[in-house]
Amino acid sequence: KAGVTQTPRYLIKTRGQQVTLSCSPISGHRSVSWYQQTPGQGLQFLFEYFSETQRNKGNFPGRFSGRQFSNSRSEMNVSTLELGDSALYLCASSVGQGTGELFFGEGSRLTVL
Amino acid sequence: GENVEQHPSTLSVQEGDSAVIKCTYSDSASNYFPWYKQELGKRPQLIIDIRSNVGEKKDQRIAVTLNKTAKHFSLHITETQPEDSAVYFCAASEGSTLTFGKGTMLLVSP
Repeated sequence: KAGVTQTPRYLIKTRGQQVTLSCSPISGHRSVSWYQQTPGQGLQFLFEYFSETQRNKGNFPGRFSGRQFSNSRSEMNVSTLELGDSALYLCASSVGQGTGELFFGEGSRLTVL
Repeated sequence: GENVEQHPSTLSVQEGDSAVIKCTYSDSASNYFPWYKQELGKRPQLIIDIRSNVGEKKDQRIAVTLNKTAKHFSLHITETQPEDSAVYFCAASEGSTLTFGKGTMLLVSP
């Protein structure tokens, strides 16, 4: 069974630009969560989608948004990039019913110059 | 919302020693407590988890204990090996969203 796939793996943007990251979950998983990982801050929750609906949202500004498609694939978008948005963005999928194991992708490393 | 505190941020041990990482959580409704291991340059992976109806769970050299009254849980690794070197994250959840601690970098010296 294929794991969680994230694209692109690496990208460099400049301040003010916008970026879209993609995540394909494990087949059969209906929940996709996004986390921002920075040194010293651990894994900070961005949002979670289940069956195309945002189920939870973390404490991030409105520049961060996401969506989920009918095939469970998810995208997140960051507009008006700031230097502080440089981070590893991790996507994780799960079956989606209640609590359970999250399966992480390898992440998309964003550098904002 | 949930808040998870994790200590220590760095832990250095000699091979064969035990290592203990502690976490506290704030939301008494949380009922699921997993631990993830992230090796350098790799994705986080679940190593053990515990639910609120259990006080302790063991899997070979790793064990997790939970004290719901005090709202804290701990990861215990015995007979540490160099391959245990990684960042360990605790997390807590009462629904579908996991709140993570900031991580503990474990360094096991041969």
